[in-house]
Formats: sequence, C-alpha cells, structure tokens
Amino acid sequence: GENVEQHPSTLSVQEGDSAVIKCTYSDSASNYFPWYKQELGKRPQLIIDIRSNVGEKKDQRIAVTLNKTAKHFSLHITETQPEDSAVYFCAGHSGTYKYIFGTGTRLKVLA
Amino acid sequence: DTEVTQTPKHLVMGMTNKKSLKCEQHMGHRAMYWYKQKAKKPPELMFVYSYEKLSINESVPSRFSPECPNSSLLNLHLHALQPEDSALYLCASSQDQRGELFFGEGSRLTVL
Repeated sequence: GENVEQHPSTLSVQEGDSAVIKCTYSDSASNYFPWYKQELGKRPQLIIDIRSNVGEKKDQRIAVTLNKTAKHFSLHITETQPEDSAVYFCAGHSGTYKYIFGTGTRLKVLA
Repeated sequence: DTEVTQTPKHLVMGMTNKKSLKCEQHMGHRAMYWYKQKAKKPPELMFVYSYEKLSINESVPSRFSPECPNSSLLNLHLHALQPEDSALYLCASSQDQRGELFFGEGSRLTVL
C-alpha cells in the first residue's frame, strides 16, 4: 500500500546550523506534499507545501525540494533557532482524502 | 476565520461512559476528518466526511461513532472505550479532497 518513509527520526543541531529532513513516497499518484510542525501538546501546523509541478519552494528560512523521479522530497531549515524545536511530519497526498504521513522527525535545536 | 475548534480539550472517562467530542469550522470547508494520534506517532486517519456524507471509515471499531450534523460540525461519539483508546483526537477540515488540511487543537482523551 501507500507508504511515506521519513528520516531521521531524531535530529539535533546547534543553533544557527541547518537541518534537513528527508521523505520518500511510494504512490506514483501523489502530487501534493505538505510538511507539518507539531510542538509539544499542540496541533500539527502546515509550514510549507509543494505540488508535483514544482521542484523547489522557499519561504524565508524554510525550503522544500521535490524529486519526482526518485520519489523524494526534503525539508530544509536554515539558521535554526530554539523555537524550531518540534516534531516535523511530511505527508503525501494523491488527490483523494487520504494524507499518508511520515513517521515524524523530532528536531532539537541546541542553544 | 481559519480556525478549527474542538471541545473539550481534555476528557477523562471510564470504560462504561458515553461521551462526545465536538468539532466546528466556519471556513466553508466541505471535508471534515477525525484523526487519532498516539504519543510520538503521526496522525492516524479514522473517518472522513465529504459534503456531510461519510466517505471514509478506516475500519474503526464501532465504539467510535462519527456524526456530521451539518457542513460546519463534526462529532465523535464514544462508548465503551478501552484504555488503549487513550490518545489525542484531532479534527481537521479541508476545502475539498485536494485542499490543505487545517487541524484543530485536539481533544486529549484518557480512558480509565
């Protein structure tokens, strides 16, 4: 069935460094790839997304890249800050109501 | 208004109780969802309502009963739950089947 693999499961970086989280999807029909940030005890919040007709999208310190051929997409956070510490989930979506979530990455930004 | 509102925020219930979780959105979204999230895990889809009709039931036990009274409201009725049902229950909505998901803050359920 459809699957989204996410790596790493935990990531610790020094404040100011970059963080990269990678996801691989299996469903060739997937055409929308959102990234959610979930702080402890809070709701998942969309931070950036990309559709399959675009290879890269950037929003300030956050960027997402998509390689459709390899079925990979990645989240890049530059100049990390302590408030970036959270769990990040990638997801794949094929135009139905089902979002297939990755297993999550716990990011810790060390001050 | 880009909010999905859930009540209650916290709920403790016994295995013989009947309770309900409520969700409301006023964004005109036509799809509403219930997700279950255990600690350190991704959200797990339970039900999807599209245009007030149940579109997806992910083989959820009958002790969970969804209801969509109108396009803005979604309920989840709980009866005879088990301790393993303790989790964060997230409601979400989207414009349609292709739209961005907006999550509510969740209802944290503890079953004793």
